[in-house]
Parts: sequence; C-alpha cells; structure tokens
Amino acid sequence: AQSVTQLDSQVPVFEEAPVELRCNYSSSVSVYLFWYVQYPNQGLQLLLKYLSGSTLVKGINGFEAEFNKSQTSFHLRKPSVHISDTAEYFCVHNTDKLIFGTGTRLQVFP
Amino acid sequence: DTGVSQNPRHKITKRGQNVTFRCDPISEHNRLYWYRQTLGQGPEFLTYFQNEAQLEKSRLLSDRFSAERPKGSFSTLEIQRTEQGDSAMYLCASSPPPGTGSYEQYFGPGTRLTVT
Repeated sequence: AQSVTQLDSQVPVFEEAPVELRCNYSSSVSVYLFWYVQYPNQGLQLLLKYLSGSTLVKGINGFEAEFNKSQTSFHLRKPSVHISDTAEYFCVHNTDKLIFGTGTRLQVFP
Repeated sequence: DTGVSQNPRHKITKRGQNVTFRCDPISEHNRLYWYRQTLGQGPEFLTYFQNEAQLEKSRLLSDRFSAERPKGSFSTLEIQRTEQGDSAMYLCASSPPPGTGSYEQYFGPGTRLTVT
C-alpha cells in the first residue's frame, strides 16, 4: 500500500535550535511527496514539494527537505526554529488524492 | 483569487439529523476533493471530482454520505442520519487541471461538525 509514516508524534524544541521531522514513505512507481503545515485554528498550507529533479527542496519559512530514495525518506529540516513555527506538520504522498501521515506536532519553547 | 471557502465553519447537530456542507473552490480549478480529519489524526481522503464527475470514493464514505458537484463549480457533502462518530473536521481542497505540473491542493478552512 502507498503510505507515509511519520516517526515522531511530538517534537519539543527550544527557539533557535535546529529541528528535523522524520518521514518515511512506501515505495511507489511515482513519488510525489509534500509537507503540509497546519497552524492552530488555520487551514492546511503547503510547505514544500518534491516531484522530481534535485533531491533537496526548499520551501517557505526557511524549511527544506531531502528526498532519499535509498532510505525511502523525506525528512523536513529547519536550521533555526521560531516560536511561530509551532504547528502540526504532515508528510503527504500525492497519488491524485493526498495520503497524509499521522502528523508531527512541533512545539517551540522560548 | 479568494481561495477555497467552506460553509458553515461550524455545525452542531443532534444524532440522526441530516447535515449539508458546501465548498467553493478556486475558480479556475477543475478538481475538488473532500477529506475528513478527526482529532489527533491526519486528514483522510473521502472523494474527489474532476469537473462534475465524481472519479473516486473512499471506503470511508458510507451510504449515509453523498457528495455532488452538479455544475462543476461548488460542491456539497451531505451526511444523512448523523452519528457521533461523524464528528470531525471536513476539509475541502481544489487543484488545477492535471498536466499543469502543480500537483498542489489548496485547502479551505474546514467545517467542524459536532454530533451530540
């Protein structure tokens, strides 16, 4: 089955520290992977996407992710987080419809 | 471009009642999707339309659920004889036509349903 697995349900981190949110995907013929963010009481917003080409993709708000075919991973990273990055982050596999991971709650503390 | 809109934003209903939600997609998007999100979970796909044609329905969409997009613009999702297990956030998303290379789905704010 085509799916994504988010390995951490919660990630607490202090402001200005680096963060990595982990995601593994099951192999598929076509791999379109996204990260969406859901801020408290707001709608889902696309952070970044991998369709093809360069395995390092940059998104909004200083986030980036690296597509690793051999490890079937698509981890999300940010070198220095802000309080405003506190949100729920979803790793998503696009197969026409979107298949969401269970989410990782990033909590940034001052 | 006003984005995807959904109405109502909140709905409280008693078990057994019928409810209907509306989604207005971004105007030039011909694909429209419905998802359901329960507390602490990621959204789950329910169904999607390309123009007025309903192309796929999830097994999650029981016989009590029906979705329509009669003119290929707005869509409605109706739940008949609501159950407490239907309590969730119902999300609508739209996307540009295939072949544009976007693959992004744009989400509305959702309709939060509470069944008492």
